[in-house]
Amino acid sequence: SQTIHQWPATLVQPVGSPLSLECTVEGTSNPNLYWYRQAAGRGLQLLFYSVGIGQISSEVPQNLSASRPQDRQFILSSKKLLLSDSGFYLCAWSGVRGGEQFFGPGTRLTVL
Amino acid sequence: AQSVTQLDSQVPVFEEAPVELRCNYSSSVSVYLFWYVQYPNQGLQLLLKYLSGSTLVKGINGFEAEFNKSQTSFHLRKPSVHISDTAEYFCAAVETSGSRLTFGEGTQLTVNP
Repeated sequence: SQTIHQWPATLVQPVGSPLSLECTVEGTSNPNLYWYRQAAGRGLQLLFYSVGIGQISSEVPQNLSASRPQDRQFILSSKKLLLSDSGFYLCAWSGVRGGEQFFGPGTRLTVL
Repeated sequence: AQSVTQLDSQVPVFEEAPVELRCNYSSSVSVYLFWYVQYPNQGLQLLLKYLSGSTLVKGINGFEAEFNKSQTSFHLRKPSVHISDTAEYFCAAVETSGSRLTFGEGTQLTVNP
């Protein structure tokens, strides 16, 4: 069966520090991968999605970037965090034809 | 899908009462529809999905939803809720030829004793 992992589960970082969040998927090949952010009390905002290694599409211009160095690994990064980067970050995967997405457990990021 | 609208941001109900969470979508093409549930500080879990066939879809935890093409709706229902159903619920849609889900803003269901 397929599983999706995210780490760390929680993170507290100072403003201006770098960020690296990791997401890995097991049990499937060539998934579509997605990064979402959920601000407090808000819905989901799609940040990035990827249909293959090295292929990243950005949905919203911002302080973040994403990379996909391996088929089942998706990384969210920032060189300098802002207060507004605080939120709950969710990684998700879907099959190559899209459709339903399966979500990881999320990372709670607090920028102070 | 072009947009998904969840008509109620918060729905408070008493335990064992029925509940309906409303969802409408807008799209010029055919869509697949989903309901997800999110418990505090957790990821989203798929409750049910409509891909084709019967318009009444049954999911986990006793939830069901009905696809109404003429009204472009996909309302979620449960005949008797439990305290443990307290969570955020998201409706989502994707074009049958697409890959990116469009989510509604979510409905917070709070079940009170």
